[in-house]
Amino acid sequence: DTAVSQTPKYLVTQMGNDKSIKCEQNLGHDTMYWYKQDSKKFLKIMFSYNNKELIINETVPNRFSPKSPDKAHLNLHINSLELGDSAVYFCASSQQPGLAAISYEQYFGPGTRLTVT
Amino acid sequence: QQPVQSPQAVILREGEDAVINCSSSKALYSVHWYRQKHGEAPVFLMILLKGGEQMRHEKISASFNEKKQQSSLYLTASQLSYSGTYFCGTERSGFQKLVFGTGTRLLVSP
Repeated sequence: DTAVSQTPKYLVTQMGNDKSIKCEQNLGHDTMYWYKQDSKKFLKIMFSYNNKELIINETVPNRFSPKSPDKAHLNLHINSLELGDSAVYFCASSQQPGLAAISYEQYFGPGTRLTVT
Repeated sequence: QQPVQSPQAVILREGEDAVINCSSSKALYSVHWYRQKHGEAPVFLMILLKGGEQMRHEKISASFNEKKQQSSLYLTASQLSYSGTYFCGTERSGFQKLVFGTGTRLLVSP
């Protein structure tokens, strides 16, 4: 059974389009995250949700909008895609309880490679 | 600010040892270590908490010097399966997020 799954695995689209990435975890975790890994392999947090509530919202353009319909799902919608959005987007989850210190391991999904042309 | 890892890359022969360092300019509460193989997701190795003990995962161990805001990952008797990019993830007290380091590429050859 896949713990954290993402769809699609690959996404190729043109500038200006709108796209979504979906993430689901079956670990019963309370917290989910979106990370962006750029071409230099830098891994940076974008958002985190705890029980459907937004906890972390890094300096990310408003074109990126996360949505958590329930604690097992966290989706990422991107409007008006730009070339610089090309990256691998990872979803992750952990048992992390809300605003407590991060003392639990994070489980990452397989990633979605987004290419904007 | 992103923690700095050193070295940026290291090549080992199977059975050799290596040390990867992670240094932050901020006071840290915890340090996580992850390994990412090419084309795959990062995989958790261990967490070191402020005031906690040195941790171990198989033949990989790590330490955390809170005063120096540094952590080191020790790979002993390296195996081919150790190849990948290692990331430290640092957490500051009151910030519910990990800031990942610059990464260290490790290649273990036969």
